[in-house]
Amino acid sequence: DQQVKQNSPSLSVQEGRISILNCDYTNSMFDYFLWYKKYPAEGPTFLISISSIKDKNEDGRFTVFLNKSAKHLSLHIVPSQPGDSAVYFCAGVTSGTYKYIFGTGTRLKVLA
Amino acid sequence: DTGVSQDPRHKITKRGQNVTFRCDPISEHNRLYWYRQTLGQGPEFLTYFQNEAQLEKSRLLSDRFSAERPKGSFSTLEIQRTEQGDSAMYLCASSSRTGGSGANVLTFGAGSRLTVL
Repeated sequence: DQQVKQNSPSLSVQEGRISILNCDYTNSMFDYFLWYKKYPAEGPTFLISISSIKDKNEDGRFTVFLNKSAKHLSLHIVPSQPGDSAVYFCAGVTSGTYKYIFGTGTRLKVLA
Repeated sequence: DTGVSQDPRHKITKRGQNVTFRCDPISEHNRLYWYRQTLGQGPEFLTYFQNEAQLEKSRLLSDRFSAERPKGSFSTLEIQRTEQGDSAMYLCASSSRTGGSGANVLTFGAGSRLTVL
């Protein structure tokens, strides 16, 4: 059972435009969501998170939106930069369980 | 602090051999996790330690896999009688206890890539 789904394996965006990465989840017990970025030959690095009591969290160029009724979250990157080219994973977790469930990732390519 | 360190970065072994991976977490982090990632997939949870206690294990962790965290510091993940299906990136992560609500942010190491021939 894939509890966290990222249905777009890849995305290409022009530099300076907005990148929107989507993530859907099925487990209604998740109350915290995180986005990670991964470059080749490196481990995932934390990008931004959101608690289920919020519907938006912003950090610089990165904004995460959460729609609990639709069980959907999205990561917006504005403006996109070539250095943002990486694989992006979303993850959900239920507080107290410590079992973070990751999606399959979306490969973002920002074209200069 | 240099972050989460994993060793070796890459291990090539023959089927049937045993392998061991080591993870050194961030020193003040009391929580340690092992994940496995295969091509085209996201990280899959294997096991979780709080200090030296192994509190949760995934069904993915067969009896050929064993993880330890003696003294609540570094951790080892051993795979006995390796199979070709064990070929993957093994990721270690650590986190610290936070006060109040909200989950912890995992800090990952660079991973140990296992290739079983």
